[in-house]
Amino acid sequence: SQQGEEDPQALSIQEGENATMNCSYKTSINNLQWYRQNSGRGLVHLILIRSNEREKHSGRLRVTLDTSKKSSSLLITASRAADTASYFCATVLIQGAQKLVFGQGTRLTINP
Amino acid sequence: GAGVSQSPSNKVTEKGKDVELRCDPISGHTALYWYRQSLGQGLEFLIYFQGNSAPDKSGLPSDRFSAERTGGSVSTLTIQRTQQEDSAVYLCASSSYGTWGDTQYFGPGTRLTVL
Repeated sequence: SQQGEEDPQALSIQEGENATMNCSYKTSINNLQWYRQNSGRGLVHLILIRSNEREKHSGRLRVTLDTSKKSSSLLITASRAADTASYFCATVLIQGAQKLVFGQGTRLTINP
Repeated sequence: GAGVSQSPSNKVTEKGKDVELRCDPISGHTALYWYRQSLGQGLEFLIYFQGNSAPDKSGLPSDRFSAERTGGSVSTLTIQRTQQEDSAVYLCASSSYGTWGDTQYFGPGTRLTVL
């Protein structure tokens, strides 16, 4: 079963706008990661945030983590057409092997 | 260096046939993971290797699925007597040590279609 739920399921914005995607999860985690997937194939790792961190930045990406609410958000600033993809959050649980437990993903479309 | 590679990129098979999917991890990575992505189930974990052993096989959906890893490198996922519900993209990932906080690097996947 999926650990996380992402919202929205689909997001369409104009190029240059900011895009925000949210992820909620159910059980305690060691860390949470965000991935991008183009054309339904390989996943590209974007950013990892540990359970003791609250915010992390990487280029145009900003990730927040609220462990009390069991939620995370991914913000992409100044979006570009090339950012069009599906975005997944994935958690690594405190107990068990280091497998990733994925959310259902958000399909992001950037309109030129 | 080269990333994770998978072969074949696409596989079409008939129901009841066996298939083998191959994964070449990044050189030197000790941890290897198999995931499956299907329309109905999303992205699901299948199995995890640390070296040649598989401490977590909890995601394998049935005994028709098996995987092995040899020489701490290449892994093969075998599906016997394929069913239509096995149709999915099978993704392989590797990481340096398999410890918490390790980044998993994914291959391009194998799209399996069972007719």
